[in-house]
Amino acid sequence: GQQLNQSPQSMFIQEGEDVSMNCTSSSIFNTWLWYKQDPGEGPVLLIALYKAGELTSNGRLTAQFGITRKDSFLNISASIPSDVGIYFCAGINTNAGKSTFGDGTTLTVKP
Amino acid sequence: DVKVTQSSRYLVKRTGEKVFLECVQDMDHENMFWYRQDPGLGLRLIYFSYDVKMKEKGDIPEGYSVSREKKERFSLILESASTNQTSMYLCASSLRTSEGSPLHFGNGTRLTVT
Repeated sequence: GQQLNQSPQSMFIQEGEDVSMNCTSSSIFNTWLWYKQDPGEGPVLLIALYKAGELTSNGRLTAQFGITRKDSFLNISASIPSDVGIYFCAGINTNAGKSTFGDGTTLTVKP
Repeated sequence: DVKVTQSSRYLVKRTGEKVFLECVQDMDHENMFWYRQDPGLGLRLIYFSYDVKMKEKGDIPEGYSVSREKKERFSLILESASTNQTSMYLCASSLRTSEGSPLHFGNGTRLTVT
Protein backbone atom coordinates (compact mmCIF):
# COMPACT_ATOMS: atom_id res chain seq x y z
CA GLY A 1 0.00 0.00 0.00
CA GLN A 2 0.92 3.64 -0.04
CA GLN A 3 3.41 4.77 2.59
CA LEU A 4 4.40 8.12 3.98
CA ASN A 5 7.84 8.89 5.36
CA GLN A 6 7.54 11.50 8.07
CA SER A 7 10.56 13.17 9.61
CA PRO A 8 11.92 13.83 12.05
CA GLN A 9 10.60 11.15 14.39
CA SER A 10 11.06 13.41 17.41
CA MET A 11 12.19 16.93 18.23
CA PHE A 12 13.34 18.56 21.46
CA ILE A 13 13.35 22.34 21.18
CA GLN A 14 13.48 25.43 23.33
CA GLU A 15 10.41 27.63 23.70
CA GLY A 16 10.47 30.34 21.05
CA GLU A 17 12.27 28.27 18.42
CA ASP A 18 10.79 27.50 15.02
CA VAL A 19 9.96 23.91 14.04
CA SER A 20 9.85 22.21 10.67
CA MET A 21 8.67 18.71 9.80
CA ASN A 22 7.87 17.04 6.52
CA CYS A 23 6.36 14.05 4.80
CA THR A 24 7.30 12.40 1.53
CA SER A 25 5.67 9.67 -0.47
CA SER A 26 6.40 7.61 -3.55
CA SER A 27 2.73 8.02 -4.52
CA ILE A 28 0.64 11.03 -5.49
CA PHE A 29 -2.04 12.31 -3.12
CA ASN A 30 -4.98 14.61 -3.91
CA THR A 31 -5.14 16.00 -0.41
CA TRP A 32 -2.58 16.52 2.36
CA LEU A 33 -3.58 17.02 5.97
CA TRP A 34 -1.76 17.75 9.20
CA TYR A 35 -3.11 16.64 12.57
CA LYS A 36 -1.97 17.15 16.16
CA GLN A 37 -2.55 14.69 18.98
CA ASP A 38 -2.42 15.88 22.58
CA PRO A 39 -1.69 13.27 25.26
CA GLY A 40 -4.73 11.11 26.02
CA GLU A 41 -6.79 12.47 23.14
CA GLY A 42 -7.49 11.71 19.49
CA PRO A 43 -5.75 13.61 16.67
CA VAL A 44 -7.27 16.94 15.68
CA LEU A 45 -7.03 18.54 12.24
CA LEU A 46 -4.64 21.51 12.00
CA ILE A 47 -4.45 22.26 8.29
CA ALA A 48 -5.90 20.75 5.10
CA LEU A 49 -4.32 21.27 1.66
CA TYR A 50 -6.19 20.53 -1.55
CA LYS A 51 -4.08 21.90 -4.42
CA ALA A 52 -0.51 21.23 -5.51
CA GLY A 53 1.65 24.20 -4.54
CA GLU A 54 -0.90 25.47 -2.01
CA LEU A 55 0.58 27.28 0.99
CA THR A 56 -1.77 27.71 3.94
CA SER A 57 -1.37 29.31 7.35
CA ASN A 58 -3.28 28.85 10.57
CA GLY A 59 -1.90 31.20 13.20
CA ARG A 60 1.71 30.21 13.87
CA LEU A 61 1.38 27.15 11.62
CA THR A 62 2.20 27.09 7.92
CA ALA A 63 1.88 24.08 5.65
CA GLN A 64 2.52 23.49 1.97
CA PHE A 65 1.29 20.92 -0.55
CA GLY A 66 4.29 20.02 -2.71
CA ILE A 67 4.24 20.73 -6.43
CA THR A 68 4.83 17.07 -7.26
CA ARG A 69 1.91 16.10 -4.95
CA LYS A 70 4.25 13.66 -3.24
CA ASP A 71 5.29 15.75 -0.26
CA SER A 72 4.20 18.31 2.31
CA PHE A 73 5.80 20.26 5.13
CA LEU A 74 4.55 21.87 8.33
CA ASN A 75 6.29 24.77 10.04
CA ILE A 76 5.54 26.07 13.53
CA SER A 77 6.93 29.49 14.36
CA ALA A 78 7.83 30.75 17.85
CA SER A 79 6.96 27.50 19.62
CA ILE A 80 5.19 27.55 23.00
CA PRO A 81 4.80 24.79 25.64
CA SER A 82 1.28 23.89 24.50
CA ASP A 83 2.68 22.90 21.09
CA VAL A 84 3.84 19.67 22.75
CA GLY A 85 2.27 16.59 21.19
CA ILE A 86 2.45 14.23 18.25
CA TYR A 87 2.05 15.69 14.77
CA PHE A 88 0.82 13.46 11.96
CA CYS A 89 0.76 14.06 8.25
CA ALA A 90 -1.82 12.25 6.17
CA GLY A 91 -2.42 11.92 2.46
CA ILE A 92 -5.73 11.12 0.82
CA ASN A 93 -6.13 9.56 -2.57
CA THR A 94 -9.80 10.26 -3.22
CA ASN A 95 -10.00 7.27 -5.55
CA ALA A 96 -8.97 4.95 -2.73
CA GLY A 97 -11.13 6.82 -0.25
CA LYS A 98 -8.92 6.46 2.78
CA SER A 99 -6.15 8.35 4.53
CA THR A 100 -2.57 7.16 4.77
CA PHE A 101 -0.74 8.42 7.84
CA GLY A 102 2.89 9.12 8.57
CA ASP A 103 4.37 7.63 11.74
CA GLY A 104 4.23 10.98 13.54
CA THR A 105 6.66 13.56 14.89
CA THR A 106 6.77 13.86 18.68
CA LEU A 107 7.47 17.44 19.70
CA THR A 108 8.80 18.40 23.12
CA VAL A 109 9.13 22.09 23.98
CA LYS A 110 11.29 23.11 26.93
CA PRO A 111 10.22 26.30 28.70
CA ASP B 1 -18.59 20.61 15.88
CA VAL B 2 -18.51 16.96 14.96
CA LYS B 3 -18.47 14.67 17.93
CA VAL B 4 -17.10 11.15 17.73
CA THR B 5 -17.71 9.24 20.93
CA GLN B 6 -16.00 6.01 21.89
CA SER B 7 -17.84 4.13 24.60
CA SER B 8 -14.85 3.31 26.80
CA ARG B 9 -11.58 5.13 27.52
CA TYR B 10 -9.97 2.07 29.15
CA LEU B 11 -10.69 -1.64 28.88
CA VAL B 12 -8.97 -4.64 30.40
CA LYS B 13 -9.86 -8.03 28.92
CA ARG B 14 -8.54 -11.56 29.21
CA THR B 15 -7.02 -13.56 26.39
CA GLY B 16 -9.74 -15.35 24.42
CA GLU B 17 -12.55 -12.99 25.37
CA LYS B 18 -14.79 -11.45 22.73
CA VAL B 19 -14.41 -7.67 22.84
CA PHE B 20 -16.68 -4.98 21.42
CA LEU B 21 -15.47 -1.41 20.90
CA GLU B 22 -18.27 0.99 20.11
CA CYS B 23 -18.13 4.30 18.27
CA VAL B 24 -20.87 6.83 17.54
CA GLN B 25 -20.73 10.01 15.44
CA ASP B 26 -23.37 12.73 15.48
CA MET B 27 -22.89 14.54 12.15
CA ASP B 28 -24.39 12.16 9.59
CA HIS B 29 -20.96 11.33 8.14
CA GLU B 30 -20.83 8.72 5.41
CA ASN B 31 -17.47 7.23 6.31
CA MET B 32 -16.24 5.65 9.51
CA PHE B 33 -12.86 4.16 10.33
CA TRP B 34 -11.07 2.13 12.99
CA TYR B 35 -7.34 2.62 13.57
CA ARG B 36 -4.93 1.24 16.10
CA GLN B 37 -2.04 3.31 17.40
CA ASP B 38 1.16 1.78 18.71
CA PRO B 39 4.39 3.59 19.67
CA GLY B 40 6.65 4.01 16.65
CA LEU B 41 4.08 2.57 14.25
CA GLY B 42 1.78 5.55 13.79
CA LEU B 43 -1.87 5.01 12.93
CA ARG B 44 -2.72 1.79 11.15
CA LEU B 45 -6.10 1.29 9.49
CA ILE B 46 -8.00 -1.81 10.56
CA TYR B 47 -11.36 -1.47 8.79
CA PHE B 48 -13.47 1.26 7.28
CA SER B 49 -17.01 1.69 6.04
CA TYR B 50 -18.52 3.93 3.36
CA ASP B 51 -22.13 3.23 4.17
CA VAL B 52 -24.46 1.23 6.34
CA LYS B 53 -23.78 -2.50 6.17
CA MET B 54 -20.70 -1.91 4.02
CA LYS B 55 -17.16 -2.60 5.19
CA GLU B 56 -13.70 -2.63 3.66
CA LYS B 57 -10.51 -4.15 5.02
CA GLY B 58 -7.76 -1.77 5.91
CA ASP B 59 -4.07 -2.55 6.27
CA ILE B 60 -4.27 -4.83 9.33
CA PRO B 61 -7.71 -6.53 9.45
CA GLU B 62 -6.55 -9.90 10.78
CA GLY B 63 -8.13 -10.78 14.12
CA TYR B 64 -10.81 -8.09 13.81
CA SER B 65 -14.27 -7.68 12.37
CA VAL B 66 -16.67 -4.74 12.21
CA SER B 67 -20.36 -3.98 12.14
CA ARG B 68 -22.22 -0.96 10.81
CA GLU B 69 -25.96 -1.51 11.20
CA LYS B 70 -26.74 2.20 11.56
CA LYS B 71 -25.08 5.15 9.87
CA GLU B 72 -23.97 6.75 13.11
CA ARG B 73 -22.50 3.65 14.76
CA PHE B 74 -19.44 1.59 13.86
CA SER B 75 -18.36 -1.29 16.06
CA LEU B 76 -15.00 -3.05 16.16
CA ILE B 77 -15.06 -6.66 17.29
CA LEU B 78 -12.18 -8.77 18.53
CA GLU B 79 -13.54 -12.31 18.23
CA SER B 80 -10.90 -13.80 20.53
CA ALA B 81 -8.66 -11.21 22.11
CA SER B 82 -4.93 -11.83 22.17
CA THR B 83 -2.13 -10.03 23.99
CA ASN B 84 -0.77 -8.59 20.72
CA GLN B 85 -4.04 -6.67 20.39
CA THR B 86 -3.17 -4.56 23.42
CA SER B 87 -3.18 -1.08 21.92
CA MET B 88 -4.87 2.30 21.63
CA TYR B 89 -7.88 2.09 19.29
CA LEU B 90 -9.10 5.23 17.55
CA CYS B 91 -12.40 5.62 15.75
CA ALA B 92 -12.86 8.35 13.14
CA SER B 93 -15.47 9.62 10.74
CA SER B 94 -15.45 11.82 7.63
CA LEU B 95 -18.12 13.48 5.58
CA ARG B 96 -17.61 11.81 2.20
CA THR B 97 -14.92 10.09 0.19
CA SER B 98 -14.87 12.05 -3.05
CA GLU B 99 -13.76 15.36 -1.56
CA GLY B 100 -10.81 14.33 0.57
CA SER B 101 -12.74 15.16 3.72
CA PRO B 102 -10.63 15.29 6.88
CA LEU B 103 -11.09 12.74 9.64
CA HIS B 104 -12.69 13.55 12.98
CA PHE B 105 -11.35 11.30 15.72
CA GLY B 106 -12.70 10.07 19.01
CA ASN B 107 -10.52 10.20 22.12
CA GLY B 108 -9.53 6.57 21.85
CA THR B 109 -9.98 3.36 23.81
CA ARG B 110 -6.88 1.96 25.47
CA LEU B 111 -7.31 -1.82 25.47
CA THR B 112 -5.17 -4.11 27.57
CA VAL B 113 -5.40 -7.86 26.99
CA THR B 114 -3.91 -9.97 29.77
